Amino acid sequence: TQLLEQSPQFLSIQEGENLTVYCNSSSVFSSLQWYRQEPGEGPVLLVTVVTGGEVKKLKRLTFQFGDARKDSSLHITAAQPGDTGLYLCAGDRGTSYGKLTFGQGTILTVHP
Amino acid sequence: EPEVTQTPSHQVTQMGQEVILRCVPISNHLYFYWYRQILGQKVEFLVSFYNNEISEKSEIFDDQFSVERPDGSNFTLKIRSTKLEDSAMYFCASSLLVSGNTIYFGEGSWLTVV
Repeated sequence: TQLLEQSPQFLSIQEGENLTVYCNSSSVFSSLQWYRQEPGEGPVLLVTVVTGGEVKKLKRLTFQFGDARKDSSLHITAAQPGDTGLYLCAGDRGTSYGKLTFGQGTILTVHP
Repeated sequence: EPEVTQTPSHQVTQMGQEVILRCVPISNHLYFYWYRQILGQKVEFLVSFYNNEISEKSEIFDDQFSVERPDGSNFTLKIRSTKLEDSAMYFCASSLLVSGNTIYFGEGSWLTVV
């Protein structure tokens, strides 16, 4: 069973602070996707990383894929209350017809 | 922006009843999926579908489950005889390619079995 361990599970910070969410596995993934999910809705894609060592930026969000393609991180700079939500990482082994393995998620709360 | 649409958004059904959840994937996508999320738990893979047949299924996807693409646009998940433990949010998803490719999710169908 491939596991993706996300940490921390909960994160409560003040507006303006920086934060990092980690996604780790002992398995190699061909790609890794980060999603944000609002209560009662489906996961909304933020980014897909494919190449080991890849860094992608989306405004205040920076995503990194580990060199060995076993881990990834999401860094948010100067967090805002609008960033509050559930962040999910999901890995694709590349051998299983699009089967994504999801982490358990990080619930982020940004207080004004 | 193209999106995956699902109906119904919420369904309540009696245990033992059949349920059909419907999805319209993004129009040029070739691979289709169903995932589910039991309240408070991880999103779990159920099945992938390509070229009118199942490509892969998880251990959750037993004989009570089936999928179908009855026409060029719809993709359905049928649960023949629902159980209480089938209560979950069911997500349809689609992608253009199968590997290293972005998978787009619908907003989900919340199934409550009573």
